[in-house]
Amino acid sequence: GAGVSQSPSNKVTEKGKDVELRCDPISGHTALYWYRQSLGQGLEFLIYFQGNSAPDKSGLPSDRFSAERTGGSVSTLTIQRTQQEDSAVYLCASSLSVGPRNTEAFFGQGTRLTVV
Amino acid sequence: AQSVTQLDSQVPVFEEAPVELRCNYSSSVSVYLFWYVQYPNQGLQLLLKYLSGSTLVESINGFEAEFNKSQTSFHLRKPSVHISDTAEYFCAVSSAYSGAGSYQLTFGKGTKLSVIP
Repeated sequence: GAGVSQSPSNKVTEKGKDVELRCDPISGHTALYWYRQSLGQGLEFLIYFQGNSAPDKSGLPSDRFSAERTGGSVSTLTIQRTQQEDSAVYLCASSLSVGPRNTEAFFGQGTRLTVV
Repeated sequence: AQSVTQLDSQVPVFEEAPVELRCNYSSSVSVYLFWYVQYPNQGLQLLLKYLSGSTLVESINGFEAEFNKSQTSFHLRKPSVHISDTAEYFCAVSSAYSGAGSYQLTFGKGTKLSVIP
């Protein structure tokens, strides 16, 4: 596609429910990243994928968070048993490949998650 | 590990006045440096980047940033701002070496630039 697409753009969920956030990267981009943007906290790195594998999951805030990527394309970030502190904008980005000179990442518009 | 400090959370400036948005970083290894911009209701867009070579880098819309290794800074400047420059600006770094941690961007908390007519 022309850019990184994320869905839904907005999600309101009740505390304790599970949510799935979707990211469709730019076609041909092998690297995919998830970030979280909380009010007053800036952007926090969560996880990255090289192809379908996620070599480093240490950025995920808790074991309620998981992510997968299939077919080297679409990625899903799942948050189980949501808590109010999970409220944030979740940003997805993709780049041609992983590596210092290829960290020009293109970002989607994000999913604004509100847990009530 | 790297960290980024953006000293000003908000910067109001009158139209056609100059502006400087400050960014300092900390890293034990060489870094690449980036400025991203987020316009209202839009996603993050890369504004400019420093990878190597000339320490002064420019964007297509008149912004420039200078990498100062001794001061570990990468301040963003524009000599004359427009209303359309109103946005949030994020400074980011990544490791310049392959390996663990080189794949991620570490961002500052952002600076909201408000251009006043």
